[in-house]
Amino acid sequence: NAGVTQTPKFQVLKTGQSMTLQCAQDMNHNSMYWYRQDPGMGLRLIYYSASEGTTDKGEVPNGYNVSRLNKREFSLRLESAAPSQTSVYFCASYWNGYTFGSGTRLTVV
Amino acid sequence: KQEVTQIPAALSVPEGENLVLNCSFTDSAIYNLQWFRQDPGKGLTSLLLIQSSQREQTSGRLNASLDKSSGRSTLYIAASQPGDSATYLCAVLPSNFGNEKLTFGTGTRLTIIP
Repeated sequence: NAGVTQTPKFQVLKTGQSMTLQCAQDMNHNSMYWYRQDPGMGLRLIYYSASEGTTDKGEVPNGYNVSRLNKREFSLRLESAAPSQTSVYFCASYWNGYTFGSGTRLTVV
Repeated sequence: KQEVTQIPAALSVPEGENLVLNCSFTDSAIYNLQWFRQDPGKGLTSLLLIQSSQREQTSGRLNASLDKSSGRSTLYIAASQPGDSATYLCAVLPSNFGNEKLTFGTGTRLTIIP
């Protein structure tokens, strides 16, 4: 039982490049989330999906887009990466408690 | 807006001691509260989940309590070990369904001294 799987684990981008962070869960959870974690800022919600086919903005959505491809998968896309998006990104799913992935450490230079 | 505070931000104790980590929240309309640990460079591991109707939950050497009316939760760690060194985060879920977004505290960094 893998839980929540995120890929890649590490990524370095140049300013202006695009990329998609992948997330998949095998627990049949309806709700999925993307958070970013920055020193001194804690965890902040970027986007979430309460169910397949729906997505909503969180606290810091600017510069990101998401796709809930199916019940298992929820991807986060950076269309034009900026240094301010250097962070650790966590995907999570929820059913009677949150389960987090191991994170993607992204550096934008 | 819900605010979650964890004090102290950092704590160092000798191995073997019992310790308490604190979490306070401003809005008592919560559905549940969850404690996590995070090791450096790693993801969040769920430790305990307390539903709003519960007063406490226990798992091994860990005991979490919840006093919803006063907006407080504590995580008690018994007989601490060096492997307990990590950052501990509490997070609350609001009681309005369809809005299942956690609000996190900023964490307590715990160091157990061998």
